Amino acid sequence: DVKVTQSSRYLVKRTGEKVFLECVQDMDHENMFWYRQDPGLGLRLIYFSYDVKMKEKGDIPEGYSVSREKKERFSLILESASTNQTSMYLCASSIPFRGRNGYTFGSGTRLTVV
Amino acid sequence: AQKITQTQPGMFVQEKEAVTLDCTYDTSDPSYGLFWYKQPSSGEMIFLIYQGSYDQQNATEGRYSLNFQKARKSANLVISASQLGDSAMYFCAMREGADGNNRLAFGKGNQVVVIP
Repeated sequence: DVKVTQSSRYLVKRTGEKVFLECVQDMDHENMFWYRQDPGLGLRLIYFSYDVKMKEKGDIPEGYSVSREKKERFSLILESASTNQTSMYLCASSIPFRGRNGYTFGSGTRLTVV
Repeated sequence: AQKITQTQPGMFVQEKEAVTLDCTYDTSDPSYGLFWYKQPSSGEMIFLIYQGSYDQQNATEGRYSLNFQKARKSANLVISASQLGDSAMYFCAMREGADGNNRLAFGKGNQVVVIP
C-alpha cells in the first residue's frame, strides 16, 4: 500500500524552538509539498520541491524552510516557532505529469506552539 | 487573487438526497485540471474526482459527478444519494499549466453534515 508518512500526528512545541516536521513517501514521486490548513482558510502552500535538493516557495513561506536531501524525504523546518504557526500541516507527493494525477497526502501533523 | 472560491456555508443534507457543492475558479491558462478532495473528521485527504480543461464530458466517479461549466469557470461537485459517511469537509483544487510541477491551489472548503 503506497503511502506518505508524517512522523508525528500531534506535536507541542515552545515558542522559539526549532521544529522539524518530517515527511516520507514510498512511491518514488518527484514532487513533494507542504501545506498548512487553518479553519476558514483552506490549504495554503508553504513550499514544494520537484527534485532532490530543489525547492520552491509557495504562497506563505515566511517563517519556514525546507530540506530535501533524498527523494523520499521532505522536511519542513520552523526556524523559531511562533504561536501563529499553530496549525495542521499536511504533506503530499505526486508525479509531475498532466492528467488526473493529483496528490497522495499524509495524515497530517497537528502542531501547537505554546 | 483567489484562484478557487468555495463560498457556501456549512450544509446539512438529508440522507439519500443529492447535494451540490459549488466551486468557481480563476485562471487564464487554457490547460488546467480541477480536483475535489474529501476530508473526514479523521483528517486524511481523499481524492474524489478530476476534470481536465480539455475533457469533453463531465467527470463521474460512482456517486460523485462534476458539473463542469467552462465558460462560467465553475466546477461543482454533485454527490448523489448522500450517506452518513459523506459527512466531511470538501475541497476544490486546481492545477494550472502543463509544466509538471503539479502544484495545487485549494479553496477554503465546504462543510457537509449528512443527517439521518
